[in-house]
Amino acid sequence: DTAVSQTPKYLVTQMGNDKSIKCEQNLGHDTMYWYKQDSKKFLKIMFSYNNKELIINETVPNRFSPKSPDKAHLNLHINSLELGDSAVYFCASSGGVYTEAFFGQGTRLTVV
Amino acid sequence: QKEVEQDPGPLSVPEGAIVSLNCTYSNSAFQYFMWYRQYSRKGPELLMYTYSSGNKEDGRFTAQVDKSSKYISLFIRDSQPSDSATYLCAMSGGGGYNKLIFGAGTRLAVHP
Repeated sequence: DTAVSQTPKYLVTQMGNDKSIKCEQNLGHDTMYWYKQDSKKFLKIMFSYNNKELIINETVPNRFSPKSPDKAHLNLHINSLELGDSAVYFCASSGGVYTEAFFGQGTRLTVV
Repeated sequence: QKEVEQDPGPLSVPEGAIVSLNCTYSNSAFQYFMWYRQYSRKGPELLMYTYSSGNKEDGRFTAQVDKSSKYISLFIRDSQPSDSATYLCAMSGGGGYNKLIFGAGTRLAVHP
């Protein structure tokens, strides 16, 4: 039973398209995150939600819009995809402030 | 200068060796320190979680935190080929929310 699951696992799309990635966690955690891992494997936080409220919003282009319909779900919608958006996007969750985060398996996005 | 510095390696060791992985950081407000293991094309998996300075041991893994030197370490005893992966340090604290700051990751290869 997967703790943090993301769909899809792979996403190949053309420049200019709009796409969404979905994430669900069954750990009962209050906080969820989106991280981006670039080609050099560097992981950087994009957004964080706590009880459906946006609490962290790093300097991410407006084309990226997260949505949390409830505590267990956090989706990421990306408009007008660009080549530079190609990366692996990880969803994660944690039980509260300053606790360890648990990651999903990632969504490998390739923009062509 | 990055907030968290980690030598990307690669680090190649023979099976059975003791492996030492390290990170340094600049933000003295960090209080929570984690080590993640990431296999190729997988999500980061939490290995160790420590709070403030000190040591923590879990099986073959030992995490050390020296806040005075802003230096953390992960030791792997009796290394196995299955330990071959990228090891990421992460830390947080000092702010209002749990924003994990990651190192670049060290790629480890354990040869039989």
